[in-house]
Amino acid sequence: EIVLTQSPGTLSLSPGERATLSCRASQSVSSSYLAWYQQKPGQPPRLLIYGASFRATDIPDRFGGSGSGTDFTLTISRLEPEDFAVYYCQQYGSSLWTFGQGTKVEIK
Amino acid sequence: QVQLVQSGAEVKKPGASVKVSCKASGYTINTYAIAWVRQAPGQGLEWMGCISGYDGKTNHAQKFQGRISMTTDTSTSTVYMELRSLRSDDTAVYYCARVGIVVKYFDLWGRGTLVSVS
Repeated sequence: EIVLTQSPGTLSLSPGERATLSCRASQSVSSSYLAWYQQKPGQPPRLLIYGASFRATDIPDRFGGSGSGTDFTLTISRLEPEDFAVYYCQQYGSSLWTFGQGTKVEIK
Repeated sequence: QVQLVQSGAEVKKPGASVKVSCKASGYTINTYAIAWVRQAPGQGLEWMGCISGYDGKTNHAQKFQGRISMTTDTSTSTVYMELRSLRSDDTAVYYCARVGIVVKYFDLWGRGTLVSVS
């Protein structure tokens, strides 16, 4: 089973700042099968990025994904108030899915 | 409207079973799979299993081996997930999510079903 480790656990930033979230896999992951989700309290997760770098429908272009192999990054170029949430990476391989433990982006 | 509507909250005793439903609307169920993901209070997301809407094939995480069943009623476009031998640490919100047959990401989610085991 591929383990995804996200860092940092918590990111304290101000609106307008840039957020950089990391997702590291215990073994190589196909970029086609690496996704990022955003979750706000009391809500289900929402798909942000799929295929490591493709924005899902209606996702603003301040969200960007990059990376390959074992290292992937989610970048939020300028934080808006609605972006403060928990972010999860996810991978698919060998008929199994795993999620990272999440990164909380909080208001500083 | 494309959506997944889940059944209501459940309270169960240890050792019991729970069956959660997920009704799909606005799309053809046999062109996607449905995954089940749970989230314990204050914790992260945990993938449990997946059932193909095309052929009914299932797969699941090893930790749920022997305890999880997933079925589809194509006549009502409803997917069911049953978890047996419940324990207190099964207390969680259970989500269903739509999965592309090829693309493998979860692009549509239900609002979740709280299952409390006490």
